[in-house]
Amino acid sequence: NAGVTQTPKFRVLKTGQSMTLLCAQDMNHEYMYWYRQDPGMGLRLIHYSVGEGTTAKGEVPDGYNVSRLKKQNFLLGLESAAPSQTSVYFCASSYSRGPTGYTFGSGTRLTVV
Amino acid sequence: GQNIDQPTEMTATEGAIVQINCTYQTSGFNGLFWYQQHAGEAPTFLSYNVLDGLEEKGRFSSFLSRSKGYSYLLLKELQMKDSASYLCAPRRAPQTGANNLFFGTGTRLTVIP
Repeated sequence: NAGVTQTPKFRVLKTGQSMTLLCAQDMNHEYMYWYRQDPGMGLRLIHYSVGEGTTAKGEVPDGYNVSRLKKQNFLLGLESAAPSQTSVYFCASSYSRGPTGYTFGSGTRLTVV
Repeated sequence: GQNIDQPTEMTATEGAIVQINCTYQTSGFNGLFWYQQHAGEAPTFLSYNVLDGLEEKGRFSSFLSRSKGYSYLLLKELQMKDSASYLCAPRRAPQTGANNLFFGTGTRLTVIP
């Protein structure tokens, strides 16, 4: 049982380049989330989705776009990367209710130079 | 809005007991989670409280007082592998339909021999 899988695990981008981070879950979770984690800032929610075909903004959505075309996949896009987007990105998924909380992917370490 | 406060760092001795406190202010409170995060890894679920009182799971216990906006995580019989960051995460009741968790910056616990 893979849980939540993120690809890639590491990436270095030049300023202005674009890329897509892929998140896949095999637990049939309804909800999916993208967080970024920076030193001293904790985990901050970028975007989230409550179901296939739906997305919504979190705390820090600027500079990112997302899509959820299939229930098991949640994509995070950076159209024009900036050094301020250097961070560790975590995808997570959960059921719509209950005490199980979130299951996190292993993270993507992104550096923008 | 959300405001989460927990100590930045703590040090404790192997075999001892340590209590990590968390105070929070959040609109529409709907439970509180504790996560453990080892350096360079994803957060993993530790405990969940939705009602006042103590929840015990082996060496870990978590307490919640909703009226005080206060929770603590108690770790007993500390082991070296417990050295990690511990994240307090109150959950906000669904507004747009997502169970958003909000994370504190975490408490970095160092266990010394």
